[in-house]
Amino acid sequence: AQSVTQPDIHITVSEGASLELRCNYSYGATPYLFWYVQSPGQGLQLLLKYFSGDTLVQGIKGFEAEFKRSQSSFNLRKPSVHWSDAAEYFCAVGAIGAGSYQLTFGKGTKLSVIP
Amino acid sequence: DADVTQTPRNRITKTGKRIMLECSQTKGHDRMYWYRQDPGLGLRLIYYSFDVKDINKGEISDGYSVSRQAQAKFSLSLESAIPNQTALYFCATSDISGTSYNEQFFGPGTRLTVL
Repeated sequence: AQSVTQPDIHITVSEGASLELRCNYSYGATPYLFWYVQSPGQGLQLLLKYFSGDTLVQGIKGFEAEFKRSQSSFNLRKPSVHWSDAAEYFCAVGAIGAGSYQLTFGKGTKLSVIP
Repeated sequence: DADVTQTPRNRITKTGKRIMLECSQTKGHDRMYWYRQDPGLGLRLIYYSFDVKDINKGEISDGYSVSRQAQAKFSLSLESAIPNQTALYFCATSDISGTSYNEQFFGPGTRLTVL
């Protein structure tokens, strides 16, 4: 079974600073990987996804993530954080194959942004 | 209009009451899911459905039941609500075609409080 670890429960950065949120996964084959963002009081919005191909994927709102198979990681990055990026971020891994259905989510990283 | 809608958005009820949370989608997806979110625990899968005739238990199905009334509708019931079912509940949908495989689209959530 797959699993996801987000080592950082809460991160605080200053507006304009760079950001990296860590995600490590466990899965026996090539995974589908996702980052979702949840703003306060809102549902989950997909930021980006990785299925195959280029290991550096671009998402919405200026975010990117890099798939590193050797490290079983899919870290989310943004070069310059805006106050509106304050939210909770969830990494998820999905299984591949006929009949596969499940996304397994990490426990989330809450991002606070200092003006 | 939102692609995945949930009603009600907020609900306060008492222990022992029967509660139904409803989810509707206009995305035309076959697969639908119910998750609950608790602080620090991320999202956990309660039930999922691949089509109208296919219902499956997820990680934490005890105390819950579901009904797939149509391709577009998937309801979650708490037969006898208890306080530890206080949580944020999300409905999600997915499609198995093309590059969207396993990507899930979320509703806005229902905040349920059981007193």
